[in-house]
Amino acid sequence: GQNIDQPTEMTATEGAIVQINCTYQTSGFNGLFWYQQHAGEAPTFLSYNVLDGLEEKGRFSSFLSRSKGYSYLLLKELQMKDSASYLCAVLDSNYQLIWGAGTKLIIKP
Amino acid sequence: ETGVTQTPRHLVMGMTNKKSLKCEQHLGHNAMYWYKQSAKKPLELMFVYSLEERVENNSVPSRFSPECPNSSHLFLHLHTLQPEDSALYLCASSQVEGDYNEQFFGPGTRLTVL
Repeated sequence: GQNIDQPTEMTATEGAIVQINCTYQTSGFNGLFWYQQHAGEAPTFLSYNVLDGLEEKGRFSSFLSRSKGYSYLLLKELQMKDSASYLCAVLDSNYQLIWGAGTKLIIKP
Repeated sequence: ETGVTQTPRHLVMGMTNKKSLKCEQHLGHNAMYWYKQSAKKPLELMFVYSLEERVENNSVPSRFSPECPNSSHLFLHLHTLQPEDSALYLCASSQVEGDYNEQFFGPGTRLTVL
């Protein structure tokens, strides 16, 4: 079966750095997405990785290792507005998105 | 604002009611999706329409019936639902070209079945 694993919840301090991990086992791989979802709002696109390595976009970076079936989202200089759920999703061999259950990130002052 | 709107935002219905959810995308995309999001569970893909044709059903119960009259509009018709169908229903759209498939989501309809 297809499976995406990510921690259910994480807590971090304002101004700090946090890394959210995602491991996957899917039938094929055509890319990995990270989305952010604030409570009661739509998920919004953060990043896309299809090749191994690190993609940096401002305070957010996303890393992919296809051989390990592993990705992480790195958030730097945390702000209170970063409190949200972070969803990892993999595009499988049928070009369908397989979703993780999301990681709820709580930022404390 | 993602360019995808959904109405209503909240819906409470009894098990014998019939209601419809509406989604509209203003992005010129060629694919639209219905997802179900339950607490602490992964997003469940329900239906996919590509170029207005349904391409995925994913064994969704027949009490959910999708309709895609054109590339900008998507409906989800609901009838004789069960309490376990209470969830957030998200609509998304994307421009499917080659391998890339970034999906843009609407704000969702919070459905409660009594």
